[in-house]
Amino acid sequence: GEDVEQSLFLSVREGDSSVINCTYTDSSSTYLYWYKQEPGAGLQLLTYIFSNMDMKQDQRLTVLLNKKDKHLSLRIADTQTGDSAIYFCATNPGRRALTFGSGTRLQVQP
Amino acid sequence: NAGVTQTPKFQVLKTGQSMTLQCAQDMNHNSMYWYRQDPGMGLRLIYYSASEGTTDKGEVPNGYNVSRLNKREFSLRLESAAPSQTSVYFCASRNTGTSGNEQFFGPGTRLTVL
Repeated sequence: GEDVEQSLFLSVREGDSSVINCTYTDSSSTYLYWYKQEPGAGLQLLTYIFSNMDMKQDQRLTVLLNKKDKHLSLRIADTQTGDSAIYFCATNPGRRALTFGSGTRLQVQP
Repeated sequence: NAGVTQTPKFQVLKTGQSMTLQCAQDMNHNSMYWYRQDPGMGLRLIYYSASEGTTDKGEVPNGYNVSRLNKREFSLRLESAAPSQTSVYFCASRNTGTSGNEQFFGPGTRLTVL
């Protein structure tokens, strides 16, 4: 089945850029997603990218997709303390349901 | 719109007890899902329902049953709870066929089995 991998932890200073990386094994996903989870809350969709795109920009967020290497990244520009959360990468192989990575905890230091 | 709602928010059970987790969505979505979230493991799919009247097993279905009562509601039942079922349970819904196909999540139910 699909395997989605993420690093567990990232620490940055406020105002710096954050880059969260994700790799996946199944290339059949039509869309790839980034979700954000704040403490004690559910998952909130941040952004998604269609599989035939290389890049998508949405305000401070930039998603890069390298289909050849099966690599997805999320860049957050001008990271703020309110961006501290767990970020999940997700794919939808076979369109049945999403397959999630284990999440990257982003810590933003003032 | 309330989106996806879940009840209860918290629950403590003893081993062997049963309970039903409730989920409802008011977005007229076709598909609904139950996931569990354990530390360091992301979300794992328990069961899903592609449309009213259908349900299918996900990655970790053992020890659970589901009912798609109508288009709005999708419940998850633990017949005989075990400590290994201590987790945070999330319900989600999706309107397949629209651009993005994104899933919308409820706030979660935090279950502890003693």
